[in-house]
Amino acid sequence: EAGVTQFPSHSVIEKGQTVTLRCDPISGHDNLYWYRRVMGKEIKFLLHFVKESKQDESGMPNNRFLAERTGGTYSTLKVQPAELEDSGVYFCASSQDLVRNEQFFGPGTRLTVL
Amino acid sequence: KNQVEQSPQSLIILEGKNCTLQCNYTVSPFSNLRWYKQDTGRGPVSLTIMTFSENTKSNGRYTATLDADTKQSSLHITASQLSDSASYICVVIAGSSYKLIFGSGTRLLVRP
Repeated sequence: EAGVTQFPSHSVIEKGQTVTLRCDPISGHDNLYWYRRVMGKEIKFLLHFVKESKQDESGMPNNRFLAERTGGTYSTLKVQPAELEDSGVYFCASSQDLVRNEQFFGPGTRLTVL
Repeated sequence: KNQVEQSPQSLIILEGKNCTLQCNYTVSPFSNLRWYKQDTGRGPVSLTIMTFSENTKSNGRYTATLDADTKQSSLHITASQLSDSASYICVVIAGSSYKLIFGSGTRLLVRP
């Protein structure tokens, strides 16, 4: 069974540009999460989808971040326009249910904003 | 404020030795505690999940303990191997939430 995949693995952009990160969860997992680790800090929650619906986006830092999950399969996280402080590693995770809520993580996308 | 603190920040041990990593949390109400292993360039992988009523859980050479009264957990690694070199992250879930609250991790280096 394929795990959670993320694309790209690395992205280097200039301040003011737009970047779109993609996450493909484990097939059949309704729950999809985005997390972020900025330099020197712990991983922090960004948002949670249940199928195509945003269940909780309380961790999104500001309105330059937009997450979508059309059709309830893969998800995208767009940053527009990117700022220097957006640099970090963005992780996606998926889980089958919310009872045990065992979350499986992707390898992350390392975003560098210059 | 819900927080998870880990110590030490980093640790170097020789192959074959044992080590213990610590986690203190101030998350309330408590639901469960997880230890994750994160290899460089990879996402975190779950090692153990413990609920309030569990005070120890093993996964191979990894043994996690939980003291819900003092809000402390430890991860003990026995007979370390070079492949144990990674970051070990303590994660707590509050109440009926699905949000993971992460510690900053302990970076372990096992030397031959």
